[in-house]
Amino acid sequence: QKEVEQNSGPLSVPEGAIASLNCTYSDRGSQSFFWYRQYSGKSPELIMSIYSNGDKEDGRFTAQLNKASQYVSLLIRDSQPSDSATYLCAVNTGNQFYFGTGTSLTVIP
Amino acid sequence: KAGVTQTPRYLIKTRGQQVTLSCSPISGHRSVSWYQQTPGQGLQFLFEYFSETQRNKGNFPGRFSGRQFSNSRSEMNVSTLELGDSALYLCASSLVQTPSYEQYFGPGTRLTVT
Repeated sequence: QKEVEQNSGPLSVPEGAIASLNCTYSDRGSQSFFWYRQYSGKSPELIMSIYSNGDKEDGRFTAQLNKASQYVSLLIRDSQPSDSATYLCAVNTGNQFYFGTGTSLTVIP
Repeated sequence: KAGVTQTPRYLIKTRGQQVTLSCSPISGHRSVSWYQQTPGQGLQFLFEYFSETQRNKGNFPGRFSGRQFSNSRSEMNVSTLELGDSALYLCASSLVQTPSYEQYFGPGTRLTVT
């Protein structure tokens, strides 16, 4: 079992819609959770971090964490073509970062 | 504040050669982690250095090594290059403040082994 698993995608949504990205992790002792965005040919860019159960909102992005279910999600509201990228979920267990393989998102104008 | 920098940005090497990559973290960050990214395997953790000590190591052969200097700059070395080492090598720096521990990536070094 992988430490971090993401829905493989690819995911396509129309412009203006809500994109929902999901991630599960295996280590119950994981302490912090992150979402990175990676454009093709570029390095990952940190867009959200979350440490406590519940929702955290930042502009059009909302991260949701449920430690009991070992589940992290990212919602992108009012999706824009510029949001088209691969989204990586990352989990820090206190010892090491683990990354999912990413979900490719395409926002269709 | 300047971001993470990596040099060189692109490298072409021949099988059997060795290569050294460099990473300068964000000012004040003492942790530097290295990752290999390939289309098939995604982001794979190589190692992490903190205060000049290797704190964690991923599942890579001993051909992959690294070090960190007193100014937190880090180098990664790959000896006896193989074709499969062709990848994007990323370094990430962190303040290491529990629980935040946010990592910020550099632009990467694209290594091609021929």
